[in-house]
Amino acid sequence: DAGVIQSPRHEVTEMGQEVTLRCKPISGHNSLFWYRQTMMRGLELLIYFNNNVPIDDSGMPEDRFSAKMPNASFSTLKIQPSEPRDSAVYFCASRRDRGQDEKLFFGSGTQLSVL
Amino acid sequence: KQEVTQIPAALSVPEGENLVLNCSFTDSAIYNLQWFRQDPGKGLTSLLLIQSSQREQTSGRLNASLDKSSGRSTLYIAASQPGDSATYLCVCTGGGNKLTFGTGTQLKVEL
Repeated sequence: DAGVIQSPRHEVTEMGQEVTLRCKPISGHNSLFWYRQTMMRGLELLIYFNNNVPIDDSGMPEDRFSAKMPNASFSTLKIQPSEPRDSAVYFCASRRDRGQDEKLFFGSGTQLSVL
Repeated sequence: KQEVTQIPAALSVPEGENLVLNCSFTDSAIYNLQWFRQDPGKGLTSLLLIQSSQREQTSGRLNASLDKSSGRSTLYIAASQPGDSATYLCVCTGGGNKLTFGTGTQLKVEL
């Protein structure tokens, strides 16, 4: 398996523009997480899906952020309009929830810079 | 609210040394604890996962222990190598599949 695949790897955009981050989880995994990492706040959970349904979106900063998971193999995180303070590395992670012995696997992340 | 703390925040050791990284958590009601490493500019790589019913897990030169009653986990790295240089994170999984990340230990192994 290729692991969790995220695209793009890097995104540079101007304030006010719409940004869409994409994630393909590992096949067979039924939980998907979106995280944001910054130097100041470390890793923060934005939203968690289980079986394509959003379970916990309490970490989504504000209405400018939205996430979808239309099927088991694809998820998007959208920021509209983007702001400089959204600059961070955004990680997607997936896991197969079957008992306790299930590891979490991370994608390589998307480095977002909003100018 | 679960809080996960890692000590030390940074560590620099000469190659070949055995070392211990510490992770403390405030809520012992966890399902499992996972250790990750993160290389600069890269994603997180899973190292070891310890279930709540287990005391330790081993993989190669790595050994992780878990003591739920005291709210502690340690990651032991034997015979450290420069390639071990990275940031190490412990993550607790609690109720509702909630993951709480530790503050991280930045390790540098010098030649």
